[in-house]
Amino acid sequence: DVKVTQSSRYLVKRTGEKVFLECVQDMDHENMFWYRQDPGLGLRLIYFSYDVKMKEKGDIPEGYSVSREKKERFSLILESASTNQTSMYLCASSLAGEQYFGPGTRLTVT
Amino acid sequence: GNSVTQMEGPVTLSEEAFLTINCTYTATGYPSLFWYVQYPGEGLQLLLKATKADDKGSNKGFEATYRKETTSFHLEKGSVQVSDSAVYFCALSVRPPGIQGAQKLVFGQGTRLTINP
Repeated sequence: DVKVTQSSRYLVKRTGEKVFLECVQDMDHENMFWYRQDPGLGLRLIYFSYDVKMKEKGDIPEGYSVSREKKERFSLILESASTNQTSMYLCASSLAGEQYFGPGTRLTVT
Repeated sequence: GNSVTQMEGPVTLSEEAFLTINCTYTATGYPSLFWYVQYPGEGLQLLLKATKADDKGSNKGFEATYRKETTSFHLEKGSVQVSDSAVYFCALSVRPPGIQGAQKLVFGQGTRLTINP
């Protein structure tokens, strides 16, 4: 079974803090993705990566950056957290088409 | 562009009722279509998929048929259970131009389903 793990289930940070969300997959997948999930808006793609050190902007990249130094790990970085970044963050990996999701990190920025 | 429109929720049904959650899409080319389910406190899990027109995906009693002529992929189940209470997402996959293998998913807004005993 594919396993995608995320570093925290719940996180509370203060406005202006730098926040790191980590995601690790164990299936040697090429592609990894970061989404945020908000009520009524579904999932929106923040960034994705199709290879080590490669990244592409998704639909809502503003205020975020990513890092992929190793194939199995994809990090989402909030350079200076703001209250409008309070959300559920979901990581996924895929080989082709079908994506496998982690359990999510619920981030609250106060 | 590519988009997915799902039936507005929330949907509340009694146990053993028939379920339909509507999903229509707009896409260039020939996308693959998916239904994902999110149980409370968990990430998304793939429920079923279909990769070409007239394919029927099925799993756990749920079914959906890829209808190219109506650009639809409606989710159905003949007799729902309390354990089916979850949020359901319809999605399509598209391949960004020029990037081999990196197929993105475009999601609908999700439909919350509650089944009462």
